[in-house]
Amino acid sequence: QEQLVESGGGVVQPGRSLRLSCAASGFTFRSYGMDWVRQAPGKGLEWVAVISYDGSEKYYVDSVRGRAFTISRDNSKNTLYLQMSSLRPEDTATYYCAKGRGGGTYNALDYWGQGTLVTVSS
Amino acid sequence: EIVLTQSPGTLSLSPGERATLSCRASQSVSSSYLAWYQQKPGQAPRLIIHGASSRATGIPDRFSGSGSVTDFTLTISGLEPEDFAVYFCQQYNTSPGTFGQGTKVEIK
Repeated sequence: QEQLVESGGGVVQPGRSLRLSCAASGFTFRSYGMDWVRQAPGKGLEWVAVISYDGSEKYYVDSVRGRAFTISRDNSKNTLYLQMSSLRPEDTATYYCAKGRGGGTYNALDYWGQGTLVTVSS
Repeated sequence: EIVLTQSPGTLSLSPGERATLSCRASQSVSSSYLAWYQQKPGQAPRLIIHGASSRATGIPDRFSGSGSVTDFTLTISGLEPEDFAVYFCQQYNTSPGTFGQGTKVEIK
């Protein structure tokens, strides 16, 4: 069955960088769009970024676009990435990777990982 | 950016009762690119409804979605104990794919 496992979270100082990974299994990873969604402690869901099945299309929420957050994927390794730079305390959240129902960038998200916690603090 | 407003914030009901959750969009969500997710404490969200009214795989038929354009509804026809959770709507018609703030369905 479909499985998504995030890694790479932790405590990081403001202004530093972090790369999250999401290992996928149980489905044909190269055929589906993939998203990152985050959730600050005790808060709601915030969509962060999406990448199409082949990596040709990428979109970001405004709050991260200008700070060199980069979504990427390696279809040979069945892995999704989120490179985060210039981190701020407000980026503190659990980051989920999620599988889209289709190959493009406009999809409902039918499988989610368990999330990885990123804490930005000095 | 399309803003989604969910109401009520909290719904207090007893098992067996009917739950009606609302999601209103600030702009038209075309082609019914509207989804509903369920989230329980300490767990990842789970897709319940996509395309405004299509149940996701494995979702029981007591869950139903309806609506179009700017007004959408999730109905749970008879609450089971496992249904008490927070529900989020999401539009994926435009980027960014925004979420509503959530409705908590709690046991009365």
